[in-house]
Amino acid sequence: SAVISQKPSRDICQRGTSLTIQCQVDSQVTMMFWYRQQPGQSLTLIATANQGSEATYESGFVIDKFPISRPNLTFSTLTVSNMSPEDSSIYLCSVEPGGGGWGTEAFFGQGTRLTVV
Amino acid sequence: QQQVKQSPQSLIVQKGGISIINCAYENTAFDYFPWYQQFPGKGPALLIAIRPDVSEKKEGRFTISFNKSAKQFSLHIMDSQPGDSATYFCAASTQAGTALIFGKGTTLSVSS
Repeated sequence: SAVISQKPSRDICQRGTSLTIQCQVDSQVTMMFWYRQQPGQSLTLIATANQGSEATYESGFVIDKFPISRPNLTFSTLTVSNMSPEDSSIYLCSVEPGGGGWGTEAFFGQGTRLTVV
Repeated sequence: QQQVKQSPQSLIVQKGGISIINCAYENTAFDYFPWYQQFPGKGPALLIAIRPDVSEKKEGRFTISFNKSAKQFSLHIMDSQPGDSATYFCAASTQAGTALIFGKGTTLSVSS
């Protein structure tokens, strides 16, 4: 299993500013995932972050807007840059301690609820 | 991303009733089908999962039914309780360990 601490839990930010979200895991994991969950919507994968390599972004998400750091096997950050009201959402980090594959349970942080005004 | 289609969007069930949520997928490479439960203010948590070589998996009051030929799977919650009121997401991934692809979610409300 894995316990994920995500900070901040919520924030209200001015448009044009940036927010960095931190994700701390209680065990070493190779793969970390960042998702966005818009109000009443599903979880959409933003990017996959592996330690020691550049994050891989999904279609519609770019590094300039959502830079990710992965300095070690227990920590990652996601920055939401130059925010606009459309970025208001819940951002979640996730890990699969088993390394992926069938039967690997994904664990999620409690999410960061971002409101851009 | 390949799509996983989930229905209904919302569901109201009487206490003690059966809740049924359906999902359909397109990518035949998917071979891991979990269901996640999410309470307000919390991240999703794994509820139950199935692999495509079995047609049904049961854990307590929760059952997944899987139809490989139809590319569909469903979650059945027996004897639904008010504490089951939450949002449920179906998901899928490949054995290659890619990230989960989620359905749009179903908000379940169990009335007492």
